[in-house]
Amino acid sequence: GAGVSQSPSNKVTEKGKDVELRCDPISGHTALYWYRQSLGQGLEFLIYFQGNSAPDKSGLPSDRFSAERTGGSVSTLTIQRTQQEDSAVYLCASSGVGTGMTDTQYFGPGTRLTVL
Amino acid sequence: DQQVKQNSPSLSVQEGRISILNCDYTNSMFDYFLWYKKYPAEGPTFLISISSIKDKNEDGRFTVFLNKSAKHLSLHIVPSQPGDSAVYFCAAAAGGTSYGKLTFGQGTILTVHP
Repeated sequence: GAGVSQSPSNKVTEKGKDVELRCDPISGHTALYWYRQSLGQGLEFLIYFQGNSAPDKSGLPSDRFSAERTGGSVSTLTIQRTQQEDSAVYLCASSGVGTGMTDTQYFGPGTRLTVL
Repeated sequence: DQQVKQNSPSLSVQEGRISILNCDYTNSMFDYFLWYKKYPAEGPTFLISISSIKDKNEDGRFTVFLNKSAKHLSLHIVPSQPGDSAVYFCAAAAGGTSYGKLTFGQGTILTVHP
């Protein structure tokens, strides 16, 4: 079946503008995650959603970052008043919930954000 | 603070030889560990995982070893193939499962020469 998809694949914006990044998880996956990878760094956890539970927002770096998940499927990550340090690849992942392999997080190709 | 560390930014090996990628962690709450492989312009792809109740897990050419007392894990690839050339990330989770927040290392670039 289809994997995790993200759009746009690339986004260039000016400092101070707002951006929205979209993630379509694998059908049937109840958990959705956002990570980012800055240049030369590992993946940094941002937020995750599980069903109707309150999301774990513990990784969001500032209140300029927010995310929502509509209808338990598609998610949008919004960055307000972008700064140059927000430049990174933003990766979305989804997983089932259970034991063993159903928990595995499957990643999308990412959105490369460049803030000028 | 960096709770998961991959101290070797890069590794170069000859085709057919063994590749050994290392990872150290500091958080004692971590009890589930994963390796992901990443090609340029693609998202990370799950490779292999291990629970802290084991010290070894094998899947084909890939074996992960876990040394809990040393808080160290390693990924062995035998034999290495040019198609294995990629960035390898180790990741850790608490709660005995990969569900939930993963903490990643910085990655190691593996180059396998023909």
